[in-house]
Amino acid sequence: AQSVSQHNHHVILSEAASLELGCNYSYGGTVNLFWYVQYPGQHLQLLLKYFSGDPLVKGIKGFEAEFVKSKFSFNLRKPSVQWSDTAEYFCAVKGGSYIPTFGRGTSLIVHP
Amino acid sequence: EAQVTQNPRYLITVTGKKLTVTCSQNMNHEYMSWYRQDPGLGLRQIYYSMNVEVTDKGDVPEGYKVSRKEKRNFPLILESPSPNQTSLYFCASSLGALGRRGRLDGYTFGSGTRLTVV
Repeated sequence: AQSVSQHNHHVILSEAASLELGCNYSYGGTVNLFWYVQYPGQHLQLLLKYFSGDPLVKGIKGFEAEFVKSKFSFNLRKPSVQWSDTAEYFCAVKGGSYIPTFGRGTSLIVHP
Repeated sequence: EAQVTQNPRYLITVTGKKLTVTCSQNMNHEYMSWYRQDPGLGLRQIYYSMNVEVTDKGDVPEGYKVSRKEKRNFPLILESPSPNQTSLYFCASSLGALGRRGRLDGYTFGSGTRLTVV
């Protein structure tokens, strides 16, 4: 069975600070990995996805994530956050099953 | 515009009164799914559908029904809602569960339905 863990439940940063949100998954085979963002009052939107190839994936709005197979991790990063990045962030993994598993989410608050 | 449309956006109902939340997508996606989102629990899958007339249970199917008679529609039915089904519900669709090399493209989510059962 596949599972995913997001370590940080709440993160508070000031504008221009660097961001790294942790995501670890559990699955022994090939995986597809995703990060979604949910802005306040809105639905989830895909930030970026990894299927294969270059382990450093660039997404929208300046976000990137790195797939480290040896660590079963897919951490999300942004060098300089903005107030508009305040949102909830979800990591998701799809391994052998058809069903992607979502993490419980990390709430990010960015102070201006 | 490519989208997943859910209705209603907000619903308050009483215990035991049957309700249906509709979901429709205009992208000819094969794969559709329902999630509920609760604080501290993230998204949990209720039911999913690989294609027309093909549905299966997710992690939390109790108290819910679905149907997939047409490719574009995937309604969620609560036959006898209870207060523990108060939640934010999202419908999502994807091009295919099994694409080339078994890939699952990212989901497109609907705007959500906030359901309160009193």
